[in-house]
Amino acid sequence: DTEVTQTPKHLVMGMTNKKSLKCEQHMGHRAMYWYKQKAKKPPELMFVYSYEKLSINESVPSRFSPECPNSSLLNLHLHALQPEDSALYLCASSHPDRVLEKLFFGSGTQLSVL
Amino acid sequence: DQQVKQNSPSLSVQEGRISILNCDYTNSMFDYFLWYKKYPAEGPTFLISISSIKDKNEDGRFTVFLNKSAKHLSLHIVPSQPGDSAVYFCAASKGNNNDMRFGAGTRLTVKP
Repeated sequence: DTEVTQTPKHLVMGMTNKKSLKCEQHMGHRAMYWYKQKAKKPPELMFVYSYEKLSINESVPSRFSPECPNSSLLNLHLHALQPEDSALYLCASSHPDRVLEKLFFGSGTQLSVL
Repeated sequence: DQQVKQNSPSLSVQEGRISILNCDYTNSMFDYFLWYKKYPAEGPTFLISISSIKDKNEDGRFTVFLNKSAKHLSLHIVPSQPGDSAVYFCAASKGNNNDMRFGAGTRLTVKP
């Protein structure tokens, strides 16, 4: 199994809603990532978890709250988002201890904030 | 601060010809470079990589060239096929991949 599964594929939410994005992998990877990508822009790193501990937080606003409940799951909790947060949210995973190692990406969640 | 740049948003080539996609980076600490391919409604998938100790890596129709002095890398696809039509992202990281940076992507169209 070389898949990273993200749900939902599409999400529309209002600015007062609370929602969660989910990511799952069963490749035994102990590093998991959230990236944000807006149209015609590069994917931007948001968070990195290594061995279920938050290791990188790229100064992301607190309305985005990551959670890594176990080595296979990664969540991104959303609250009080702004329309400018509308983007494709990509989850990825890798082996944290190996250098020169590629990331495996999910298909992403296309988020629209109204 | 965009540390990885792909200055050509799109490229169109004829089937059977060579496709050359370019990427520039600014951070001299990067030591690992990758190309990812993305189809619509799918996540990026790994295509080919190169470490900074090499200047060329080849995998079938795909070859990546690295020019460290110019902080430039390129992806050559020979021969190009219509199924290669996708968005190609250049990426770079330092030491390990916990902080991988991406370019904005180049949309390749291969015409039959």
